[in-house]
Amino acid sequence: NAGVTQTPKFRVLKTGQSMTLLCAQDMNHEYMYWYRQDPGMGLRLIHYSVGEGTTAKGEVPDGYNVSRLKKQNFLLGLESAAPSQTSVYFCASSSVSRDGPQNQPQHFGDGTRLSIL
Amino acid sequence: AQSVTQLGSHVSVSEGALVLLRCNYSSSVPPYLFWYVQYPNQGLQLLLKYTTGATLVKGINGFEAEFKKSETSFHLTKPSAHMSDAAEYFCAVNKAAGNKLTFGGGTRVLVKP
Repeated sequence: NAGVTQTPKFRVLKTGQSMTLLCAQDMNHEYMYWYRQDPGMGLRLIHYSVGEGTTAKGEVPDGYNVSRLKKQNFLLGLESAAPSQTSVYFCASSSVSRDGPQNQPQHFGDGTRLSIL
Repeated sequence: AQSVTQLGSHVSVSEGALVLLRCNYSSSVPPYLFWYVQYPNQGLQLLLKYTTGATLVKGINGFEAEFKKSETSFHLTKPSAHMSDAAEYFCAVNKAAGNKLTFGGGTRVLVKP
């Protein structure tokens, strides 16, 4: 019953360093998403993917890149970390119904707490 | 652009009392509506969703929500709060032709013994 697995769970970076967050799902979902969660702001979509080999920008994409080389994995990269990127990052995935993905719930990982000093 | 407003970032209720969490949305097209719950240091879990059909939706853990199109609201209720209901709750909206959720700012629920 793994569902959506995020690694690492915690990380501290220095300004300017780079890192990659990994998300893996074992539900054969087509759609995958990366969000950031900041106090009082709910979750904001960074990037998403509608299938293997595809990516698209969300609400707050600047400073992040993503890749989806395999259907089950969705990677989020920070090329040059900034203190403003200190946040909790969540990955999610969802299936597609006959009507599309919009009425399908998203399944979330437990998050990655990232601090940029 | 659609938006979601949750009235009250913090709500305190006594154990056994009614829980009422308010959610209003703005959308130019009929939306799909979701409530998620987040326990400390965990991801979000689906409580319930409204897509079509009956406007009163029942979810897990005794929660329910009513879609009122005329009021553009989707308030979440539970008749009797339990200590285990202490968590943060998020309302979210998806457009009928979209694939991206828009979340409200969240409401943190504290349950007093």
